[in-house]
Amino acid sequence: DTAVSQTPKYLVTQMGNDKSIKCEQNLGHDTMYWYKQDSKKFLKIMFSYNNKELIINETVPNRFSPKSPDKAHLNLHINSLELGDSAVYFCASSQLGGREVRETQYFGPGTRLLVL
Amino acid sequence: AQTVTQSQPEMSVQEAETVTLSCTYDTSESDYYLFWYKQPPSRQMILVIRQEAYKQQNATENRFSVNFQKAAKSFSLKISDSQLGDAAMYFCAYRSPNTGNQFYFGTGTSLTVIP
Repeated sequence: DTAVSQTPKYLVTQMGNDKSIKCEQNLGHDTMYWYKQDSKKFLKIMFSYNNKELIINETVPNRFSPKSPDKAHLNLHINSLELGDSAVYFCASSQLGGREVRETQYFGPGTRLLVL
Repeated sequence: AQTVTQSQPEMSVQEAETVTLSCTYDTSESDYYLFWYKQPPSRQMILVIRQEAYKQQNATENRFSVNFQKAAKSFSLKISDSQLGDAAMYFCAYRSPNTGNQFYFGTGTSLTVIP
């Protein structure tokens, strides 16, 4: 069973379009994250939600808006896509405040976004 | 904010040999967690090994082990008997229990395994 899944895996789109990336985890975790990995492989956190509440919001353009309908889902919506948004976006989940295995973040397979 | 430094952008190792990837971090906290993640060409992030700062014993997972030096704030990864499948990008990560469960990642070390 897939622990953290993301759709789509690949996304090619034109500048100015609006797109969404979906993320779902079946681990029963209460915290989910979005990361952006650029062409140099730098991994930067964008957002984190705990029990559907935003707890981390790094400096990202407000064109990016996370939506958490429930604890198992954290979707990322991007408005007015720009060339610089091209990257791989990773969703991850963990259990806040736990010990041992629950401290670990589990990553999805990533979504490759290419903006033309 | 906590920072994680991986000073080796690229490393290479002969198959079956041992290689050590370095990681240092900066923190004023006493309780935290450290991780090594592997990212193969498929881009998926895979947990390799985990260390709790309150444990003095170094974590070990089969061919992977860490050298955790809390006073020096150092957390290196040793890969023994390197295999071709170990070729990947390796990220060191720090998790603070005090900043909303946020993880801080290093910039990664690209490991090449030479047959």
